[in-house]
Amino acid sequence: RKEVEQDPGPFNVPEGATVAFNCTYSNSASQSFFWYRQDCRKEPKLLMSVYSSGNEDGRFTAQLNRASQYISLLIRDSKLSDSATYLCVVGEGAEYGNKLVFGAGTILRVKS
Amino acid sequence: GAVVSQHPSRVICKSGTSVKIECRSLDFQATTMFWYRQFPKQSLMLMATSNEGSKATYEQGVEKDKFLINHASLTLSTLTVTSAHPEDSSFYICSARRRGNYGYTFGSGTRLTVV
Repeated sequence: RKEVEQDPGPFNVPEGATVAFNCTYSNSASQSFFWYRQDCRKEPKLLMSVYSSGNEDGRFTAQLNRASQYISLLIRDSKLSDSATYLCVVGEGAEYGNKLVFGAGTILRVKS
Repeated sequence: GAVVSQHPSRVICKSGTSVKIECRSLDFQATTMFWYRQFPKQSLMLMATSNEGSKATYEQGVEKDKFLINHASLTLSTLTVTSAHPEDSSFYICSARRRGNYGYTFGSGTRLTVV
């Protein structure tokens, strides 16, 4: 079983649509949670951290359910520039080397 | 903001040769450096973790004698792919972490092609 699982997609949506991505993780001791964005052949860039209380950054809303070990990302009013691969990322604690564990990513294609 | 400079961005080498990839933290001290590899359409896979001044810790299945990691200073870490083969062709990315700071700063990646 993969440590971080995501639906690979692709999600093909029109501009202006709302789209949601989900992710599950296997290590209940994970301490931090993130969504990263990766454009083709580039390094991943932090989109937002995810907190148990839920958090919002403009058109992006992230939720974390520790009991279900489930993370989500909601994108409202999709833009063409949102087209990318979205990586669900889990941060392990010191006992696991403080490393980040990446999901394989969900591909989003926003079309006009 | 924190910046990690990774070089080269792209390299093509012949099978059997060695390739060195450098990551430099430009404006902070990187106490920990993580090295990842990403094959097409796959996730970033952690290869090894290095702390300044100590030996790297390799993930299961990663050959430490093939992927040599040096983290001799707080601003420089290198990954050397020794005796590269076509199956080593991949996207290699470093990520630096500061002491007491949970942020991770990524290099821009190195695309290695072994022919």
